[in-house]
Amino acid sequence: LAKTTQPISMDSYEGQEVNITCSHNNIATNDYITWYQQFPSQGPRFIIQGYKTKVTNEVASLFIPADRKSSTLSLPRVSLSDTAVYYCLVGEVPAGGFKTIFGAGTRLFVKA
Amino acid sequence: EAGVAQSPRYKIIEKRQSVAFWCNPISGHATLYWYQQILGQGPKLLIQFQNNGVVDDSQLPKDRFSAERLKGVDSTLKIQPAKLEDSAVYLCASSSKTRGGYTFGSGTRLTVV
Repeated sequence: LAKTTQPISMDSYEGQEVNITCSHNNIATNDYITWYQQFPSQGPRFIIQGYKTKVTNEVASLFIPADRKSSTLSLPRVSLSDTAVYYCLVGEVPAGGFKTIFGAGTRLFVKA
Repeated sequence: EAGVAQSPRYKIIEKRQSVAFWCNPISGHATLYWYQQILGQGPKLLIQFQNNGVVDDSQLPKDRFSAERLKGVDSTLKIQPAKLEDSAVYLCASSSKTRGGYTFGSGTRLTVV
């Protein structure tokens, strides 16, 4: 299973775009990249998943370069409610489920 | 779509006592996971079920932890006897092969005193 490296914490201000980069140098061919968000006293919540290039949904974008050894989660115009821990996971997607390792995550603090 | 249900929400026990946690995954999700999350750390996988079979329990401390998913739907995680270091949030998650990612429950916060 590929290990991931993320910054421990990041600060931002409301309305700014936040980019969180994750390194996964030993990503395997069958591995997908998935990002989760976790608020205190809640379980992690799926944000976005991708395999290569760029994926966008209603809450975030995920940029994956051609070598797939890193990925960047982009949160447009953050608000105070985006203060949370963000986890980058890399793992294979077998039929019926996943197997991935959570690292310590990135603690994002959004200030007014 | 109903989420992953877990109970109880909180539990305080003394060391050497036993405790059980219950999880009901999203309907139709064949894969169910139990995670342990210690304060300040990311979740750590304890066991993964596919229907009612165990896929991976390599990180489950089998001398004290056990889990079952008898009918391939809801699941129970048990600790017996509990140690102080078992104090953590126990998260249940489920997944479907038709959608990326896990859906987590809110967890059970266990405090062992």
